[in-house]
Amino acid sequence: DIQMTQSPSSLSASVGDRVTITCRASQGIGSWLAWYQQKPGQAPKSLIFAASSLQSGVPSRFSGSGSGTDFTLTISSLQPEDFATYYCQQYNTYPVTFGPGTKVDI
Amino acid sequence: QVQLVQSGAEVKEPGASVKVSCQASGYSFSSYGITWVRQAPGQGLEWMGWISAYSADSNYAQKFQGRVTMTTDTSTSTAYMEVRTLRPDDTAVFYCARASVGDGPIDHWGQGTLVTVSS
Repeated sequence: DIQMTQSPSSLSASVGDRVTITCRASQGIGSWLAWYQQKPGQAPKSLIFAASSLQSGVPSRFSGSGSGTDFTLTISSLQPEDFATYYCQQYNTYPVTFGPGTKVDI
Repeated sequence: QVQLVQSGAEVKEPGASVKVSCQASGYSFSSYGITWVRQAPGQGLEWMGWISAYSADSNYAQKFQGRVTMTTDTSTSTAYMEVRTLRPDDTAVFYCARASVGDGPIDHWGQGTLVTVSS
């Protein structure tokens, strides 16, 4: 199975900060990577697919980049509603696997 | 708009089975598949498998093969996920989610169904 790691596991930030989360795959996955946001007590929300394509309705302050094994999710200016846990997911190979998550709090 | 509405919370004893439903609306059900994701309390997301609503082809994560069955009913645009021989460590929120292909990204999620396994 492809193992996904994320760093940091958690971070503290302030409104307006630029935030970057890193995701690494144990082997190359091309651009077959997605990012999801989950707030406490809620279902995940889809943010990005194909490493850098925004899902419909996702604010443009979110962006993704990378290919192969190293990927990043960037929030250009953190907003109060962005405090959440973020997960990456590879879908290059079965089984599909998620990263362990990065918690972004105040 | 796309909606996936799941069945309500369940409490089951160890050894029992549970069947969670996921009713889809707002899109052509047969044009997509349904992915199931498990989240244990305080833990991350775990992909369980995917089923095509068009062909009923499915793909399961190895750890769930033989104990989990995913099905769809195109007449009611509903997907089902059954877990048999429940154990206490199966206690989790189960999510259904829409994905066009099994090895593809999720674009919409259900609200989740909490299954508690306890004697």
